[in-house]
Amino acid sequence: QQQVKQSPQSLIVQKGGISIINCAYENTAFDYFPWYQQFPGKGPALLIAIRPDVSEKKEGRFTISFNKSAKQFSLHIMDSQPGDSATYFCAANQAGTALIFGKGTTLSVSS
Amino acid sequence: EAQVTQNPRYLITVTGKKLTVTCSQNMNHEYMSWYRQDPGLGLRQIYYSMNVEVTDKGDVPEGYKVSRKEKRNFPLILESPSPNQTSLYFCASSLTGNTEAFFGQGTRLTVV
Repeated sequence: QQQVKQSPQSLIVQKGGISIINCAYENTAFDYFPWYQQFPGKGPALLIAIRPDVSEKKEGRFTISFNKSAKQFSLHIMDSQPGDSATYFCAANQAGTALIFGKGTTLSVSS
Repeated sequence: EAQVTQNPRYLITVTGKKLTVTCSQNMNHEYMSWYRQDPGLGLRQIYYSMNVEVTDKGDVPEGYKVSRKEKRNFPLILESPSPNQTSLYFCASSLTGNTEAFFGQGTRLTVV
């Protein structure tokens, strides 16, 4: 019940295309859903996050879609660029508990 | 500059030799945590601390110890390292448990 399942494991997208990464969770008490971006040799950095009182959040080319009833949330990267090539992690938790991460998606954007 | 600093960045050690990885943050964050990152397994939480003198186990605490005597520091201790603890370790801090987490640069540990 504590797992966060992320898919796909890897993704290749052409420059200018849309990248979509999906995550599913079981624990209905989760109330914080961040996405982290990690470049090789660096620590993860927060990209965008959402709380369950909204169904969508957009920041520039990055959008989180959240479906509370389905217990799923996804990251959409519009107009994907080679500089977006990185590993992306979804995560979830509730206040006072451990942040649970998905296993990550390696995104490659080809030029 | 707001940051989380880990040391060392790279460490090779032998089985059984006690080691400590330090972590320090300058953002006055209450919450600190340690993760290990392994290929195909993502980030798994080892221990976390919600405040000074308050620590709790994460998903994979076996073989690790932590302490939180000061707000800014959260060292990770391996009393008797084993080869299965070879991994990339990250320290993170956040204002609370479910706000933005800031990660350090990582410590790549090899136990031979």
